[in-house]
Amino acid sequence: EVQLVESGGGLVQPGGSLRLSCAASGFTFSSYGMNWVRQAPGKGLEWVSYISNGRSTILHADSVKGRLTISRDNAKNLLYLQMNSLRDEDTAVYYCARGGVPSDYHYMDGWGKGTTVTVSS
Amino acid sequence: DIQMTQSPSSLSASVGDRVTITCRASQSISFYLHWYHQKLGKAPNLLIYAASSLQSGVPSRFSGRGSGTDFTLTISNLQPEDFATYYCQQSYTSPFTFGPGTKVEI
Repeated sequence: EVQLVESGGGLVQPGGSLRLSCAASGFTFSSYGMNWVRQAPGKGLEWVSYISNGRSTILHADSVKGRLTISRDNAKNLLYLQMNSLRDEDTAVYYCARGGVPSDYHYMDGWGKGTTVTVSS
Repeated sequence: DIQMTQSPSSLSASVGDRVTITCRASQSISFYLHWYHQKLGKAPNLLIYAASSLQSGVPSRFSGRGSGTDFTLTISNLQPEDFATYYCQQSYTSPFTFGPGTKVEI
């Protein structure tokens, strides 16, 4: 069973930094692309970032380019989202989601429960 | 960026009803269209990928159709656990945009 557990969320001031982690288990992590998807309070889903299994492909939404960076450690089964220069509009629940197969279909077939990031002074 | 729209934005239905939700892309996305549902306070869950492929473990009352710009998700014989918000998502090109959602309520 796919298990994804996010951590690292919290309250941060505008301009601050945070690093989210996602611990994966129940599948061969190094074989799957991974995503971050966020949901602002009362709003819909917004795809944030994608990283391929071998890190050769990294994609980010325009709204986060240059500020949020996805990475992964296949030896530790961990996915990360480094968040810098945070803005109020980054306030959201951040979900870690496994990419489906074939990888170029870019759907998300397993999701964590999410971690909440609140950007506020 | 490819814009996704959904209609209706919300609908009221009863257990046993047949419900159809429409998703439209601002340009052709071939079959790179996927459907999720999300219950309040929970993570999303994949229902249909590649427009019409049923995800493993998802009941067969869910079905998807379409290609190009117009897609539908149909739920036949609506069950109590199906009351949720439904999202479509395109993956033809980055950024992988979601539709605004359709809330299915009693």
